Amino acid sequence: EAQVTQNPRYLITVTGKKLTVTCSQNMNHEYMSWYRQDPGLGLRQIYYSMNVEVTDKGDVPEGYKVSRKEKRNFPLILESPSPNQTSLYFCASSLGQGSGTGELFFGEGSRLTVL
Amino acid sequence: GENVEQHPSTLSVQEGDSAVIKCTYSDSASNYFPWYKQELGKGPQLIIDIRSNVGEKKDQRIAVTLNKTAKHFSLHITETQPEDSAVYFCATSGNTPLVFGKGTRLSVIA
Repeated sequence: EAQVTQNPRYLITVTGKKLTVTCSQNMNHEYMSWYRQDPGLGLRQIYYSMNVEVTDKGDVPEGYKVSRKEKRNFPLILESPSPNQTSLYFCASSLGQGSGTGELFFGEGSRLTVL
Repeated sequence: GENVEQHPSTLSVQEGDSAVIKCTYSDSASNYFPWYKQELGKGPQLIIDIRSNVGEKKDQRIAVTLNKTAKHFSLHITETQPEDSAVYFCATSGNTPLVFGKGTRLSVIA
């Protein structure tokens, strides 16, 4: 089954404790992206990757890091989480980026609470 | 960069009635306009999309219309059913990553 898998789905942590949210897709997609969803703000892009070893900042990259060492994986790293990073996070992937490159597939989401 | 405005933010309709959600965008280079549906506890899922060379597209009870001159596009859902209750997002892109609207929470009242 074609899917984007995120882990963990739920996490409560404390300020400053490094954490990683993993994301894996099994569709051989080149493009992967991370979003955060907050009430009233919709989906805001954090980082995206056009291909292996190619990453770019989205609209809200501060406080986050990513890496793309393999095509299927795109982990999101919070080096020193703060309470304003409490949010619902989505990983997504597609064949490419831009208008001609097909549907964006989303994971089920990771709800992160930073105390 | 691109700015996408989506209205309304919440919408309640009686079962069987129609629902319309509207989006406006700013970048004249945008040429792809998808709509995503997010059910409770799940990630968004593509329900319909339209490209700039088409003015309207239908898929059963849902349709999308595009007015490139005015830079707006709309989602139309006819004969709404309780399972249509969800959050709907519009989005646009040209050669840049998708930019999403803030979402519309649709409630279909039985």
